[in-house]
Amino acid sequence: AQRVTQPEKLLSVFKGAPVELKCNYSYSGSPELFWYVQYSRQRLQLLLRHISRESIKGFTADLNKGETSFHLKKPFAQEEDSAMYYCALSGSTFYNTDKLIFGTGTRLQVFP
Amino acid sequence: DAGVIQSPRHEVTEMGQEVTLRCKPISGHDYLFWYRQTMMRGLELLIYFNNNVPIDDSGMPEDRFSAKMPNASFSTLKIQPSEPRDSAVYFCASNTRWAASGGVGNEQFFGPGTRLTVL
Repeated sequence: AQRVTQPEKLLSVFKGAPVELKCNYSYSGSPELFWYVQYSRQRLQLLLRHISRESIKGFTADLNKGETSFHLKKPFAQEEDSAMYYCALSGSTFYNTDKLIFGTGTRLQVFP
Repeated sequence: DAGVIQSPRHEVTEMGQEVTLRCKPISGHDYLFWYRQTMMRGLELLIYFNNNVPIDDSGMPEDRFSAKMPNASFSTLKIQPSEPRDSAVYFCASNTRWAASGGVGNEQFFGPGTRLTVL
């Protein structure tokens, strides 16, 4: 069965500290992984996807198929990074749209 | 485009009342998704449509929940009768596989959500 696990409900760090939001998945095929972010009073929006191999707002995430993980990392956290982060999984190929399975989310708090 | 539009933004009702949530997807998008967000369970997919046809409703919690999409620009999620445990934020999202219509692979575009409180 498809499943996404985010073990931490809350992660608190100070500004300038490194951040790693954990995500593990369960899927028998070839998954597509995403990170979505929801800032306070804003819509849930895509942050990055593994297939793009891009860095967005200083965040990166590498798909590790051996460990079935897709952890989100940033070397130096900023206060504006405070938000709710969701890891999501799709079993479809890139341009076939399908449902996303979301994790339960991790709230990141960055203190000044 | 104003993006995905949801109404109402907030709804407070009493247990046993019927609740109807509304969604207008982005023009040209042929997939529409309904999600429920709670502290305990995070973001759960309730149902999704393709070309106005329900494809997967396995996430609909029980018969009290129903969803319709009468045309490409409108969908409703109805709860009848409502219960306090239905209190949550309900999101609608849309996307399309067609790049010419603004699709970006599997990226979903979310509405602002409807915060439902059932007393």
